[in-house]
Amino acid sequence: DVKVTQSSRYLVKRTGEKVFLECVQDMDHENMFWYRQDPGLGLRLIYFSYDVKMKEKGDIPEGYSVSREKKERFSLILESASTNQTSMYLCASILQRTGPDTQYFGPGTRLTVL
Amino acid sequence: GDSVTQMEGPVTLSEEAFLTINCTYTATGYPSLFWYVQYPGEGLQLLLKATKADDKGSNKGFEATYRKETTSFHLEKGSVQVSDSAVYFCALSDGYTDKLIFGTGTRLQVFP
Repeated sequence: DVKVTQSSRYLVKRTGEKVFLECVQDMDHENMFWYRQDPGLGLRLIYFSYDVKMKEKGDIPEGYSVSREKKERFSLILESASTNQTSMYLCASILQRTGPDTQYFGPGTRLTVL
Repeated sequence: GDSVTQMEGPVTLSEEAFLTINCTYTATGYPSLFWYVQYPGEGLQLLLKATKADDKGSNKGFEATYRKETTSFHLEKGSVQVSDSAVYFCALSDGYTDKLIFGTGTRLQVFP
């Protein structure tokens, strides 16, 4: 079975801190994604990556950056955390495909910025 | 742009009741459609999918049919259980990228 793990389930940070959220998948998937989940808004795509060192902006990239130095690891970075970044963050991965396929999700990191 | 609209929740049912969660979509191409489920404290997992018009996805007693004429992909289950209590997300993939566009989610609460 595919396993996607995230470094923390719960995280509390202060405004202005630099925050790293780590995601690791163990199935050699090419494509990885970061979403944030907010009540009433569903999941919104922040960034995604099709390959090592490649990244693409999603729908809400402002205030975030990403890093993909190794195929299995995709990091989300909050350069200077703000209270409006308090949210649930979900990582997902998918095997590069020629047809529609399943995204596999990690358990999520609930981030609170004070 | 492409979008997904699903009914607001929460949906509250008694065990063994019939479930319908409505989902409609707007897309310019030929999207694939998905239902994902999120159990309390967990990430999302795929429940079912359909890749073309008139396809029916099914899993764990849940079903959804890809209706191009009504741009819908409603989720149904004939008899819900307490263990089905979760948040259900309808989503589409545009068929050109791996990106998913999600609805806002519908919370289902099933009581014994």
